[in-house]
Amino acid sequence: DAGVIQSPRHEVTEMGQEVTLRCKPISGHNSLFWYRQTMMRGLELLIYFNNNVPIDDSGMPEDRFSAKMPNASFSTLKIQPSEPRDSAVYFCASGRGGRFVTQYFGPGTRLLVL
Amino acid sequence: KQEVTQIPAALSVPEGENLVLNCSFTDSAIYNLQWFRQDPGKGLTSLLLIQSSQREQTSGRLNASLDKSSGRSTLYIAASQPGDSATYLCAVSDTGANSKLTFGKGITLSVRP
Repeated sequence: DAGVIQSPRHEVTEMGQEVTLRCKPISGHNSLFWYRQTMMRGLELLIYFNNNVPIDDSGMPEDRFSAKMPNASFSTLKIQPSEPRDSAVYFCASGRGGRFVTQYFGPGTRLLVL
Repeated sequence: KQEVTQIPAALSVPEGENLVLNCSFTDSAIYNLQWFRQDPGKGLTSLLLIQSSQREQTSGRLNASLDKSSGRSTLYIAASQPGDSATYLCAVSDTGANSKLTFGKGITLSVRP
């Protein structure tokens, strides 16, 4: 299996621009998680999907962030407009089952907002 | 609110040493606890998952223990190797309806040849 695939791996953008991060979960997994990792705050859950439905988005920092999962094999995390404080590594993870399953992480997208 | 603490933040040991990484959490009402490994520039790899009803889990040279009542877990690495150098994160799932993994900030381990 190819594992969780994320794109792009690196993104540099200017403040105010729209950023779209993409994730392809492992085939057959029905849970998908988006995380953000920073030095200050560590790793934080942003949103959790189960069977393509957003179950818990309490970690989404504000309205500038949105996430979609149009089908079982694709999810996006969008930031519009981006701000320098959004600079972080964004991870996507998937699992088979509910929120308590073993999660398999992608390699992450390193975002830098200037 | 659950808080997970891992101290120290960094550790350097000579190859071959047996070592223990510590993790503590504030709310003992957990569903499970996981240990992850993160290599520089990479995602996380799940090493061991301990259910709240379990005391320990083993995989190869790794052994993780859980003492839920005291809010502590340890990851024991036997006969450490340079390839074990990485950041090790502990994470707990609480039992609430909106449970999520709460991560510690990790311990960066360096095993010197």
